[in-house]
Amino acid sequence: NAGVTQTPKFQVLKTGQSMTLQCAQDMNHEYMSWYRQDPGMGLRLIHYSVGAGITDQGEVPNGYNVSRSTTEDFPLRLLSAAPSQTSVYFCASSLGRREKLFFGSGTQLSVL
Amino acid sequence: QKEVEQDPGPLSVPEGAIVSLNCTYSNSAFQYFMWYRQYSRKGPELLMYTYSSGNKEDGRFTAQVDKSSKYISLFIRDSQPSDSATYLCAMTPGSARQLTFGSGTQLTVLP
Repeated sequence: NAGVTQTPKFQVLKTGQSMTLQCAQDMNHEYMSWYRQDPGMGLRLIHYSVGAGITDQGEVPNGYNVSRSTTEDFPLRLLSAAPSQTSVYFCASSLGRREKLFFGSGTQLSVL
Repeated sequence: QKEVEQDPGPLSVPEGAIVSLNCTYSNSAFQYFMWYRQYSRKGPELLMYTYSSGNKEDGRFTAQVDKSSKYISLFIRDSQPSDSATYLCAMTPGSARQLTFGSGTQLTVLP
């Protein structure tokens, strides 16, 4: 029972590089989301999706893109990494927006 | 001012103590209240889920909501070293809006 799987666990980028953080869930959840967690700031929503083909912006979407081509996968793309994007990133899924959120184990990203 | 305020701690207590964790909020529309527990280098996991005002108990954990004061609490009885984690409060209005998280309180229970 895998739940929410995130890869990679750690990543170091140089300013201006691009990369994709992968997220997959095997619970047939319609709702998926990406958060970033910074010291003293709590979890802040980047982007979310209420189903395949439907995405929307959260609180801090700038610098990030998402797509949802299947129910299972919800990748997060950094087009041109900046030091301000150094953070821990969490993917989460749930049956609905107000249902229990299941989180992945996180990706620690450093942008130099 | 943040919508949800949470004392970051750190909070350190001896094993067996009663722990009180708190959040205050400013948005009177919040109706669903949650507590998540996050162990080091792990994702948060849902601990308690309550709707509107009142108390909810689950084993050693009690969640309390006081909407008139815009204040929620999580009590941990007979605390154990395994309770050492960061505790995050989260809340959302009755409409289909996103969760707003507190910044988390780091708790250490000393054996």
